[in-house]
Amino acid sequence: GAGVSQSPRYKVAKRGQDVALRCDPISGHVSLFWYQQALGQGPEFLTYFQNEAQLDKSGLPSDRFFAERPEGSVSTLKIQRTQQEDSAVYLCASSLRTSGERAYNEQFFGPGTRLTVL
Amino acid sequence: DAKTTQPPSMDCAEGRAANLPCNHSTISGNEYVYWYRQIHSQGPQYIIHGLKNNETNEMASLIITEDRKSSTLILPHATLRDTAVYYCIARNTGKLIFGQGTTLQVKP
Repeated sequence: GAGVSQSPRYKVAKRGQDVALRCDPISGHVSLFWYQQALGQGPEFLTYFQNEAQLDKSGLPSDRFFAERPEGSVSTLKIQRTQQEDSAVYLCASSLRTSGERAYNEQFFGPGTRLTVL
Repeated sequence: DAKTTQPPSMDCAEGRAANLPCNHSTISGNEYVYWYRQIHSQGPQYIIHGLKNNETNEMASLIITEDRKSSTLILPHATLRDTAVYYCIARNTGKLIFGQGTTLQVKP
């Protein structure tokens, strides 16, 4: 079956532009996560949705970052007034749910969107 | 989530077992140990996880010490395609807290 897909795969933005990054999770997956990965670093958590509810946005670095998942499936990460420090790979992951049950805790990652801010 | 410590890099000969260590001395009783890997230019991939007992699946084995303060991921017969960054994560919540991981280089 289809995995997690993200679009665009690459995005170049001029400093100050707004960008929108899309994530299509695996069908039926309740939980959706966004991570940011700077060059040479491990991914860092940004935000988490359970269905359409954003339950944790503690990792969003500033109020320029906004995420939504209005119908509980597709999610969009929006970055307003992009800065050079926003250049990174943005990863989306989904899982069936996030209970302690081991069978449902695996996160499936998409290929990421590489954002370059000039 | 508990902090984990891993060596920054390791080499392994193709066909040999790769043993990747992880220290998680502050792990709490309800935190699982997870391993993910990230092949260059791809998203992370789940490998295995466990709580107390050793675990094995088609990809790897996970050995957790009795005091749960450390663990070892074992790739029994490493191939060139296993070259990747391997992340050890201790968690009991949904989000994953990645460290720097171990870069495993499998050499022919």
